[in-house]
Amino acid sequence: GESVGLHLPTLSVQEGDNSIINCAYSNSASDYFIWYKQESGKGPQFIIDIRSNMDKRQGQRVTVLLNKTVKHLSLQIAATQPGDSAVYFCAEKPGGFKTIFGAGTRLFVKA
Amino acid sequence: ETGVTQTPRHLVMGMTNKKSLKCEQHLGHNAMYWYKQSAKKPLELMFVYNFKEQTENNSVPSRFSPECPNSSHLFLHLHTLQPEDSALYLCASSQDLGAPTEQYFGPGTRLTVT
Repeated sequence: GESVGLHLPTLSVQEGDNSIINCAYSNSASDYFIWYKQESGKGPQFIIDIRSNMDKRQGQRVTVLLNKTVKHLSLQIAATQPGDSAVYFCAEKPGGFKTIFGAGTRLFVKA
Repeated sequence: ETGVTQTPRHLVMGMTNKKSLKCEQHLGHNAMYWYKQSAKKPLELMFVYNFKEQTENNSVPSRFSPECPNSSHLFLHLHTLQPEDSALYLCASSQDLGAPTEQYFGPGTRLTVT
């Protein structure tokens, strides 16, 4: 069945280090992937997206990598800051209008 | 106001009550969504509206009744809920339904059913 999963439910990093959040997806027909950030008391916020015809996309301090061979998605955050502490969701769109969300990884940034 | 707003932010209701959640988007989007977010579970899509027309009812119990009077407003009417319906209810909007298009979320309504 369709599923989007995360390898680790919790990730703790030192301020200033790089963070890597991983995600596995199961639907090889998915052509669009998104990362969202959800801070406490707020709704999910779009961070970055990538289409299936790409394997890497960079934003401001964030990079998303897509490996279609092993159906793996990752979010890299450079120079992690306390404000990056949140829950991060990966999501996939396997065609149509539905977006399938993963369970989320909580990122803790230690000062 | 900008983005997607939701009211109320918190709601406590008994199982026999009737209440409504409101969502408004100020982004000029054509599609709106209701999601349920429970602890330790992925976001669950409940309803989808495109140009005011419902395009998806994801097997949601009839005690949840959506209403979309126009492309900017979305309601979720609640009646005779169960304690397991306690969750964060998120509204979202997107320019349209197809990919690639990200969704913009409101802050959610934290619902507690007693």
